[in-house]
Amino acid sequence: RKEVEQDPGPFNVPEGATVAFNCTYSNSASQSFFWYRQDCRKEPKLLMSVYSSGNEDGRFTAQLNRASQYISLLIRDSKLSDSATYLCVVNKGNKLVFGAGTILRVKS
Amino acid sequence: NAGVTQTPKFQVLKTGQSMTLQCAQDMNHEYMSWYRQDPGMGLRLIHYSVGAGITDQGEVPNGYNVSRSTTEDFPLRLLSAAPSQTSVYFCASSALGGAGYTFGSGTRLTVV
Repeated sequence: RKEVEQDPGPFNVPEGATVAFNCTYSNSASQSFFWYRQDCRKEPKLLMSVYSSGNEDGRFTAQLNRASQYISLLIRDSKLSDSATYLCVVNKGNKLVFGAGTILRVKS
Repeated sequence: NAGVTQTPKFQVLKTGQSMTLQCAQDMNHEYMSWYRQDPGMGLRLIHYSVGAGITDQGEVPNGYNVSRSTTEDFPLRLLSAAPSQTSVYFCASSALGGAGYTFGSGTRLTVV
C-alpha cells in the first residue's frame, strides 16, 4: 500500500464548478499535512498547509480527518488557471511523502 | 531572486557515465533534499540533509551519492548512469520545522 494515496483523475470540470479531491495516508504518527500544486513540466509549489481545524484560503478549503487518516481539498468557483496536478503531502518524521497527484482540468 | 537553483535543466547521458546535478539555495535553509519524479509514481525521496556535514538516505538512494559541505549547496552525483535513472530530478529546501519546501525548477535527465 502506498503511504499517500490519491485518485489520479483526471477531473474534468467546467469553469465555475466546485470540485473536491481526497487523499488517504497510512502513517498515523504524521503531524504535518500539505497540498501542493504542480503545473505541467514545472516544480511543485506549496498551495496550503492543512490544519486539524480545517482552513480556508480564498476559494480553497482544506480539511483533515485524523481518525480516518484522510485529507481533502475543495476548490470553489473553478478557474481555467486552476488546471494543474494537486499533490497531497504528509510528513514522515522530518521527511515529506508525496502522493502521485490528482489531475484537474478546468474547461470553458 | 532568492530560492533554489538547479543546474543543468536538461541532460542526456550514456549508460555508464557519471555526472553531478547541482543544487544551491540562498535562504539559509538547514534542510535540503533530492527527489525524483516518474509518471504515476509521484515524488520519491533519494537523499536528504538536515545541515552541513549531515546526510541520510531516502526511499530510493541506490546509484546516487550526496554530500553537504556548506549550508547552501547539496549536489547529487550519479555514479554510473543507467536507463532506469531517466527521470525528472527536483531539489528542495526548507527551514527545519518549516511549513513546506521550496523546490528548484528541476533537471530532466535522459540516460540512453
